[in-house]
Amino acid sequence: NAGVTQTPKFQVLKTGQSMTLQCAQDMNHEYMSWYRQDPGMGLRLIHYSVGAGITDQGEVPNGYNVSRSTTEDFPLRLLSAAPSQTSVYFCASSYGKGQGTGELFFGEGSRLTVL
Amino acid sequence: RKEVEQDPGPFNVPEGATVAFNCTYSNSASQSFFWYRQDCRKEPKLLMSVYSSGNEDGRFTAQLNRASQYISLLIRDSKLSDSATYLCVVNLGSGGGADGLTFGKGTHLIIQP
Repeated sequence: NAGVTQTPKFQVLKTGQSMTLQCAQDMNHEYMSWYRQDPGMGLRLIHYSVGAGITDQGEVPNGYNVSRSTTEDFPLRLLSAAPSQTSVYFCASSYGKGQGTGELFFGEGSRLTVL
Repeated sequence: RKEVEQDPGPFNVPEGATVAFNCTYSNSASQSFFWYRQDCRKEPKLLMSVYSSGNEDGRFTAQLNRASQYISLLIRDSKLSDSATYLCVVNLGSGGGADGLTFGKGTHLIIQP
């Protein structure tokens, strides 16, 4: 099994551009989420989903959109990139709807630079 | 607002030594606690869960102190391969869902030969 797959691994954007980070998992996990990791800040939750058709905001949702049309896929859209969105983005999934377990399975990360 | 706090280090420890670090959390109602490991420029991976009775996995021991609101990680007979950042994770959410998982900033451990 591939686990959690993120693409692209690296991306450079100009301010104002939009893009989508792709995330797919093949473990039939209902719970999926997006985090960003910045130096000195730790991992912060952007958006999450407990199943197809259901999404919710995390700690830092502004400037990002998500959708969950299938169990497998959970793309993250940057609407109008800003330098403050320069970060490493991780997609993560968990068993069931994410209840009762702390095991998150992470993708390898996407390093985004906004100029 | 610092809900999960860790000493960022780095902890420089000679190979074979024992090292321990703590993590404090703010919500006394938290029910689940974990240690994750993150290698440089890699994704975090679950190292171990922390139960009320403690948890031991080989050279690694994790303990929970609810009264003082901290968890600890002890590594015995440290190996060069233990060099990594160790993330303390606490579920601060009331519902227990994974969206309540709050990550500390991590403790950087360097094992020296």
